[in-house]
Amino acid sequence: QSALTQPASVSGSPGQSITISCTGTTSDVGRYKYVSWYQQHPGKAPKLLIYEVSNRPSGVSNRFSGSKSGNTASLTISGLQAEDEADYYCSSYTTTSTLAFGGGTKLTVL
Amino acid sequence: QVQLQYSGPGLVKPSETLSLTCTISGGSVNFNNYYWTWIRQPPGKGLEWIGYIYYSGSTTYSPSLKSRVTISIDTSKNQFSLRLSSVTAADTAVYYCASGSVDAFDIGGPGTMVIVSS
Repeated sequence: QSALTQPASVSGSPGQSITISCTGTTSDVGRYKYVSWYQQHPGKAPKLLIYEVSNRPSGVSNRFSGSKSGNTASLTISGLQAEDEADYYCSSYTTTSTLAFGGGTKLTVL
Repeated sequence: QVQLQYSGPGLVKPSETLSLTCTISGGSVNFNNYYWTWIRQPPGKGLEWIGYIYYSGSTTYSPSLKSRVTISIDTSKNQFSLRLSSVTAADTAVYYCASGSVDAFDIGGPGTMVIVSS
């Protein structure tokens, strides 16, 4: 059982926006700004999309955005494209100085 | 940009020790404020954080693996390594090494598949 809770799957049509939630506790997501999101295409290594809740590394499209409210972080993808179909994972630093991952969300572009 | 290359056996027998090394190029294991992290992903499952070693040498491990894991740095070879003892089939996974901060990192390459089987 993962420490952070994500929906198993989400879907959307090209051009639409979707949001993936990541729910933790006051010991991780709710306590720190250190929430990240990763994108993983089949057979590939995960790629960092968002760090510190809402920051994008250089080269990541501005269609990807992150936010947090209380114990829940969210990843929003706007202007959905076929290439966005992938698995998405959230992670958070915790009060025990460890890192917790969410179980992952499979995004299907219809 | 830091690049990471894996080395180590792809097949390990049950009860033995899994050993993997990540060699760093384009950077130094002594980079200030860098964390060197290991993550794994069992086939068809999600990501699991194993632990990290700070550039200073201090380590933090996943509580569920702590009794079996050692992450170390070899500054002379610009490498960091993972050792996981007493492996079982449940340790079969793609293992990734990564560099960056404690909470956000760049994962090196495609990872390396390790199968635990006799």
